[in-house]
Amino acid sequence: DQQVKQNSPSLSVQEGRISILNCDYTNSMFDYFLWYKKYPAEGPTFLISISSIKDKNEDGRFTVFLNKSAKHLSLHIVPSQPGDSAVYFCAAIGTGANSKLTFGKGITLSVRP
Amino acid sequence: DTEVTQTPKHLVMGMTNKKSLKCEQHMGHRAMYWYKQKAKKPPELMFVYSYEKLSINESVPSRFSPECPNSSLLNLHLHALQPEDSALYLCASSQDHRRANQPQHFGDGTRLSIL
Repeated sequence: DQQVKQNSPSLSVQEGRISILNCDYTNSMFDYFLWYKKYPAEGPTFLISISSIKDKNEDGRFTVFLNKSAKHLSLHIVPSQPGDSAVYFCAAIGTGANSKLTFGKGITLSVRP
Repeated sequence: DTEVTQTPKHLVMGMTNKKSLKCEQHMGHRAMYWYKQKAKKPPELMFVYSYEKLSINESVPSRFSPECPNSSLLNLHLHALQPEDSALYLCASSQDHRRANQPQHFGDGTRLSIL
């Protein structure tokens, strides 16, 4: 059973516009949600995270929003740049029995110049 | 540059060979992880070492044998692998496995091909 879902496999956005990447989860015991970015031939790079007690976290061009009641989070990238083109993984983790970092399937973002 | 270093970057081996993957971090992290990633799929957890002790084994076949010689090093010994074991093997580390607010940092992986 997939506990972290990224239902859109790909997204294409014009440079300078906003990219919105969505993620849903089913396990209410997750404490933290993370976004990782992955370029080909490289490992995933940690981008930004949010605690389950927050609804927004911002770091430069990247903002993550959490809607706990809907079990939904999103990553906003503004403005999008061609260098942002990569696979983005949503991940979640809790404590105890939920302490395994659980990844979504990823979404491929393409930013067109 | 990644702070988690994995060697080799690429490895081709036969099904009867014995080889090892190596991972090193100097961030003072006390948790280290092995993941397996197949093409177009998310990373799948294999093993977790916490304070140099094996904490989690995700029912990985015994042909994969992890080892943590010290807090900075993590090895994955391979023996009698199958073609379906061909994948990208990722190492990661974090401050403490028990603390959910500590993100894991990944190496660039070893691309393993089994002939």
